[in-house]
Amino acid sequence: GQNIDQPTEMTATEGAIVQINCTYQTSGFNGLFWYQQHAGEAPTFLSYNVLDGLEEKGRFSSFLSRSKGYSYLLLKELQMKDSASYLCAALDSNYQLIWGAGTKLIIKP
Amino acid sequence: GAVVSQHPSRVICKSGTSVKIECRSLDFQATTMFWYRQFPKQSLMLMATSNEGSKATYEQGVEKDKFLINHASLTLSTLTVTSAHPEDSSFYICSARDLRGVKETQYFGPGTRLLVL
Repeated sequence: GQNIDQPTEMTATEGAIVQINCTYQTSGFNGLFWYQQHAGEAPTFLSYNVLDGLEEKGRFSSFLSRSKGYSYLLLKELQMKDSASYLCAALDSNYQLIWGAGTKLIIKP
Repeated sequence: GAVVSQHPSRVICKSGTSVKIECRSLDFQATTMFWYRQFPKQSLMLMATSNEGSKATYEQGVEKDKFLINHASLTLSTLTVTSAHPEDSSFYICSARDLRGVKETQYFGPGTRLLVL
């Protein structure tokens, strides 16, 4: 079956760095997405990786290892507004997104 | 950047009535749009895939006669919840597939919060 695993909740301190991991098992693979979702709002696009390696975009970076079925989202210089759920989603061979349950990130002062 | 809009953002209706939700891609053409629903503190659940000019593909367990989807143009898909009941109350979100760049991307609308009394 198809499956996405990510931690349910993480806590970090303002100004620090946090890494949110995601492992996936899908029938075929056409890339991995990370989305940010604040409570009561729709998800917003953060990153898309299809090749192995690290992609940096400002304070956020995303890493992919296709051979390991593994990705992480790295958030630097954490701000209080980064408190949100972070959703990992893999694109399968039918170009359907398979969603993880999301990681709730709590930022403390 | 790409923008997807949804209308209405919030709707309250009586049980038994029908509600139509619109999803528009504002600056790109989307041959494929997706409809999701999300219950509180849960992840997104794909309901159906909407393809322009053809019938929507529904996920298992989603009643196609209850959740009518129409994708009549490259920038508009509509979801109609027919004979809504309180258990249909949820957060409905659409996304549009953007194939313009090298990488495929999906952009989400802001969502529609439906409350059925």
